[in-house]
Amino acid sequence: AQSVTQLGSHVSVSEGALVLLRCNYSSSVPPYLFWYVQYPNQGLQLLLKYTTGATLVKGINGFEAEFKKSETSFHLTKPSAHMSDAAEYFCAVRPRVGSNYKLTFGKGTLLTVNP
Amino acid sequence: DTEVTQTPKHLVMGMTNKKSLKCEQHMGHRAMYWYKQKAKKPPELMFVYSYEKLSINESVPSRFSPECPNSSLLNLHLHALQPEDSALYLCASSQPTRGRAYNEQFFGPGTRLTVL
Repeated sequence: AQSVTQLGSHVSVSEGALVLLRCNYSSSVPPYLFWYVQYPNQGLQLLLKYTTGATLVKGINGFEAEFKKSETSFHLTKPSAHMSDAAEYFCAVRPRVGSNYKLTFGKGTLLTVNP
Repeated sequence: DTEVTQTPKHLVMGMTNKKSLKCEQHMGHRAMYWYKQKAKKPPELMFVYSYEKLSINESVPSRFSPECPNSSLLNLHLHALQPEDSALYLCASSQPTRGRAYNEQFFGPGTRLTVL
């Protein structure tokens, strides 16, 4: 069974600083990989996804992530944090074969941005 | 229109009440989902409907009863809930996923349910 590990349940950065949120997966075959953001009292919004092709993926709001098969990682980065980036971030995976609907989520990382 | 709407936004109910949550989308999606999310936790999948047929039931207690009356609507009927069922209930929709294709799930804002 696959699993997702998000290192750090809470990350705090200063406005303008680099954002780095870590995600590692464990499965024998690399899955499809996603990052979702959830603002307070809202649903989830897809930031970006990796399915195939280029391993550096650009998403919305200036975020990007790089799929590294050798490290089984899909870390999320943003060069310069903005106050509006404060939210909960979830890494998720979906297997390439088998169940086509189930997303397995990491436990989430709460990002706070200090002025 | 890339929006999933959910009503009501908030719901407070007693353990003997019967209530329903409603979800609607007009994106032509033929897969719809119910998730339960407890505070500071990731969403947990409850049910998936594909082409208006129940495709996945994640061993959810029978006090939760889903219904998909048409391709745009998804309901979750609630009866005899327990206080531990208090959570944010999220609806999502996507195009049906076949084979290796992936279709993004669009999430609604959720219904905050409190069971007294």
